[in-house]
Amino acid sequence: DAGVTQSPTHLIKTRGQQVTLRCSPKSGHDTVSWYQQALGQGPQFIFQYYEEEERQRGNFPDRFSGHQFPNYSSELNVNALLLGDSALYLCASSRRQGFIREQYFGPGTRLTVT
Amino acid sequence: QKEVEQNSGPLSVPEGAIASLNCTYSDRVSQSFFWYRQYSGKSPELIMSIYSNGDKEDGRFTAQLNKASQYVSLLIRDSQPSDSATYLCAVSRSSASKIIFGSGTRLSIRP
Repeated sequence: DAGVTQSPTHLIKTRGQQVTLRCSPKSGHDTVSWYQQALGQGPQFIFQYYEEEERQRGNFPDRFSGHQFPNYSSELNVNALLLGDSALYLCASSRRQGFIREQYFGPGTRLTVT
Repeated sequence: QKEVEQNSGPLSVPEGAIASLNCTYSDRVSQSFFWYRQYSGKSPELIMSIYSNGDKEDGRFTAQLNKASQYVSLLIRDSQPSDSATYLCAVSRSSASKIIFGSGTRLSIRP
């Protein structure tokens, strides 16, 4: 049973560039959430996708956008990169219906903006 | 006031002792509570979830929830050096809701 996978593992970009991060959820999961984790902080919620639509959004600017595909995988896009966007980007998957409410994280993508 | 508050630590505990980690939250509507363990440079790993008041035990781990006091704790018995990590407390309103994380408590188990 494959867990949550993310690609790439590391990425270095220059200010002003755009980046796309990818996530495949755990088998049986239909919901994908994205988080940003700065050094020494807890993960901060960016947004959540279910049925190919953004369902909830945290306090992140419109430069952050996403997409979910019919196979439940998801992408996170960040435009006009700033130095402050350097962080660990985490994808978490879950099942929307039912009692089980846990979210499971992928290994993350470490983004460095120079 | 932060939505989920934890002491940043570090909390130093001798090997074999009980480590006690605490967390308070501000949203009274919260229904689901989680503890994640995060090793340096790695992603968070879910170790416990709890939904009802009281205690929930899983191996060496016990989660405790008191909704009236808006307080969650994690006890680690017989602490091992491999338990040295940052422990993140997290809460959510429902299965469809975002999870809100605390900043984490660094735990160090000394031999």
